[in-house]
Amino acid sequence: DQQVKQNSPSLSVQEGRISILNCDYTNSMFDYFLWYKKYPAEGPTFLISISSIKDKNEDGRFTVFLNKSAKHLSLHIVPSQPGDSAVYFCTASVGAQKLVFGQGTRLTINP
Amino acid sequence: AAGVIQSPRHLIKEKRETATLKCYPIPRHDTVYWYQQGPGQDPQFLISFYEKMQSDKGSIPDRFSAQQFSDYHSELNMSSLELGDSALYFCASSRAGVRYEQYFGPGTRLTVT
Repeated sequence: DQQVKQNSPSLSVQEGRISILNCDYTNSMFDYFLWYKKYPAEGPTFLISISSIKDKNEDGRFTVFLNKSAKHLSLHIVPSQPGDSAVYFCTASVGAQKLVFGQGTRLTINP
Repeated sequence: AAGVIQSPRHLIKEKRETATLKCYPIPRHDTVYWYQQGPGQDPQFLISFYEKMQSDKGSIPDRFSAQQFSDYHSELNMSSLELGDSALYFCASSRAGVRYEQYFGPGTRLTVT
């Protein structure tokens, strides 16, 4: 039972353009959502989070949008840079406990 | 800034052997989480500790045990290793005030032959 779903295994975007990564969830009890970036042979790196009481959170080039009614969130990266090429995980938790991971989306930024 | 430290980074064991993975959280972080990422899979939660007490338990086999020590470091002990235990094991830590933000270590790659 995949409670957090990232339906796009991969995404290719041109440098300088916007990257949009999507995530859906099924558990309405989730109250925190976090995006992590992962390079090969490294641990996930925290990028940005959003609480379920908000619908948007922005940090530099990264913005996360949350649509609770649709149980959907998205991560926007503007402008995309070559160093953004990595696997991005959408995660969710209930009461700041264990993280439930999505399957990940491999983002490739093309020069 | 100091990060989560995991040791060893790589470990090769034979079936039925025992392995111990160590995790040193970021200073002043009081909660430790363990995750397992099998080949081609997303990370799965195993177990967590808050202030040296087990706080949550996920899909951790009975052959595995873990604890958190007085200096907040944690150890994951794995016995009677099976081929299916081959995976990346990540440790993460968090602190009061921003408990929901977990910071991950680089992982330990365990290979069971």
